[in-house]
Amino acid sequence: QKEVEQDPGPLSVPEGAIVSLNCTYSNSAFQYFMWYRQYSRKGPELLMYTYSSGNKEDGRFTAQVDKSSKYISLFIRDSQPSDSATYLCAPGGGTASKLTFGTGTRLQVTL
Amino acid sequence: GAVVSQHPSWVICKSGTSVKIECRSLDFQATTMFWYRQFPKQSLMLMATSNEGSKATYEQGVEKDKFLINHASLTLSTLTVTSAHPEDSSFYICSARKGTDQPQHFGDGTRLSIL
Repeated sequence: QKEVEQDPGPLSVPEGAIVSLNCTYSNSAFQYFMWYRQYSRKGPELLMYTYSSGNKEDGRFTAQVDKSSKYISLFIRDSQPSDSATYLCAPGGGTASKLTFGTGTRLQVTL
Repeated sequence: GAVVSQHPSWVICKSGTSVKIECRSLDFQATTMFWYRQFPKQSLMLMATSNEGSKATYEQGVEKDKFLINHASLTLSTLTVTSAHPEDSSFYICSARKGTDQPQHFGDGTRLSIL
């Protein structure tokens, strides 16, 4: 079993839709949770960063963490074509103090 | 804030040559920098963790004599691919963070092509 599982997609949605991206993890030592967005041939860009269970909102983005079920989500409201990218979940922390990346979910927002 | 610059963005060279990639944190001091490798349509694979002033810690299966990492200052780390061969062709990405449990900020990557 991989430490971080993420559906690779592709996920195709129409412009304006609410997008739900999900991730599960197995290591209960993970203490913080990141979501990154990666455009083709570019480095990942930090979108959200949270320590605790619960919700964190930033503009159109909401990150949700449920440590009890080891499940993390990213919601994108009013999705735009410019949101088309690969979204990587990356929990981290514990003794290793490094991130473990999921495989990424490729999102396509169509006009 | 938290800008990481990586140079060069693209390099093509002949088999057998060595290639150096630079990673700089432009507006913060990075106690730790990381080097990743990414193949097409795959996720990031951590190669090594680099702390300023000390030797890098390499992940299992990564040849330390092949991929030389130097982290001489709080704003600069370099990765040198020695005696590069076509199988070393890949997308190399660095990241930097201010401290433990702080988020990693990534450079834009270096596309390395070995002919």
